[in-house]
Amino acid sequence: EAGVVQSPRYKIIEKKQPVAFWCNPISGHNTLYWYRQNLGQGPELLIRYENEEAVDDSQLPKDRFSAERLKGVDSTLKIQPAELGDSAVYLCASSFSGSGTGELFFGEGSRLTVL
Amino acid sequence: AQSVTQLDSQVPVFEEAPVELRCNYSSSVSVYLFWYVQYPNQGLQLLLKYLSGSTLVKGINGFEAEFNKSQTSFHLRKPSVHISDTAEYFCAVSDGGGAQKLVFGQGTRLTINP
Repeated sequence: EAGVVQSPRYKIIEKKQPVAFWCNPISGHNTLYWYRQNLGQGPELLIRYENEEAVDDSQLPKDRFSAERLKGVDSTLKIQPAELGDSAVYLCASSFSGSGTGELFFGEGSRLTVL
Repeated sequence: AQSVTQLDSQVPVFEEAPVELRCNYSSSVSVYLFWYVQYPNQGLQLLLKYLSGSTLVKGINGFEAEFNKSQTSFHLRKPSVHISDTAEYFCAVSDGGGAQKLVFGQGTRLTINP
């Protein structure tokens, strides 16, 4: 079974440029998460989707960040314009809410460097 | 609101020695508890989880953890570590109501010295 797939793995951009990250969750997983992991820190939730609906986006900086999950499968996270402080690893995770285990499955992450 | 405190940011140990990584949580409701491991340049991988039942939980790679409700702790242990255990370890909590929102600690970097 394929795991959570993210791309790109690495991205280097200059500040004020836009950037987008893509995530393909595990087949059948209805819940999708985007986390941000700053260097030396634990992951912090940005947004959680149940199918197509964003049910928790309270930590998403909406002035520059946006996300979508069309058709309840793949998801894209966008930053426009990027700032120096956005340098981090962006992790996508998925889960099946009916499992009752609470376990999340993570992708390998997209490492963003803003110069 | 839930929170997790990992008491040690770095833990160096010698190979084949025992290790304990400490985790305390704060929550007003019943919780699910998790330990994840992150190897360099990789995503997070589940080591073990506590949902209910026995307070001693066994996971992969010889790790185990004990849920202590009175002390609100979920410490991770391994009796004999290997070089390959060098990684970052994260404790996480979610509420038992099925919201499936994980809150992570800051992480503990485990370094195994030969």
